Amino acid sequence: DAKTTQPPSMDCAEGRAANLPCNHSTISGNEYVYWYRQIHSQGPQYIIHGLKNNETNEMASLIITEDRKSSTLILPHATLRDTAVYYCIVRVANTGNQFYFGTGTSLTVIP
Amino acid sequence: NAGVTQTPKFRILKIGQSMTLQCTQDMNHNYMYWYRQDPGMGLKLIYYSVGAGITDKGEVPNGYNVSRSTTEDFPLRLELAAPSQTSVYFCASSYLGQGALRYSNEQFFGPGTRLTVL
Repeated sequence: DAKTTQPPSMDCAEGRAANLPCNHSTISGNEYVYWYRQIHSQGPQYIIHGLKNNETNEMASLIITEDRKSSTLILPHATLRDTAVYYCIVRVANTGNQFYFGTGTSLTVIP
Repeated sequence: NAGVTQTPKFRILKIGQSMTLQCTQDMNHNYMYWYRQDPGMGLKLIYYSVGAGITDKGEVPNGYNVSRSTTEDFPLRLELAAPSQTSVYFCASSYLGQGALRYSNEQFFGPGTRLTVL
């Protein structure tokens, strides 16, 4: 599975969009980009995933560059409850083995 | 559905003691996983199972054992506990196979077990 690089921490004002970047320059053609988050030492929670097209769901949007070497998770209107560690993971879909969780980005939403 | 449940929530062990961490899921998922998370670090896979009777090692299996006799349960056994096993342990499950939603690979996590070995 390709490695990812994320900034260790970010701040965002409440109500503003939070844009979390992820670099995955060695991603291969059959690897998807997944995002999970972990709130205050709870179990990680799935957010969104994508292959090459931009994706949106009720939680967030995922923007993947055309060359697929980087992506951005967007939380459109950050709330205090979005304060968490966000993990960007790339892996082949539907294979069932592990996700490699790095250290992620610690996002703090400021009132 | 209760999702993924884990017991106990907290435990303190003495060096050399043994214990079993319980994990149960009621979503009829075929895959189950055990991760550990050390302070300030990401999760590392200990063992996983692709179905009842089938288990395989992950990244950090030493000092642990697992079994999968039913679809629902995936206990993790610690033998001869050591201070290096002080960590938070997460169990997770997922469904892979026919009908899996658009290759989501979504893993559902339990609340964790906080283990201290003194």
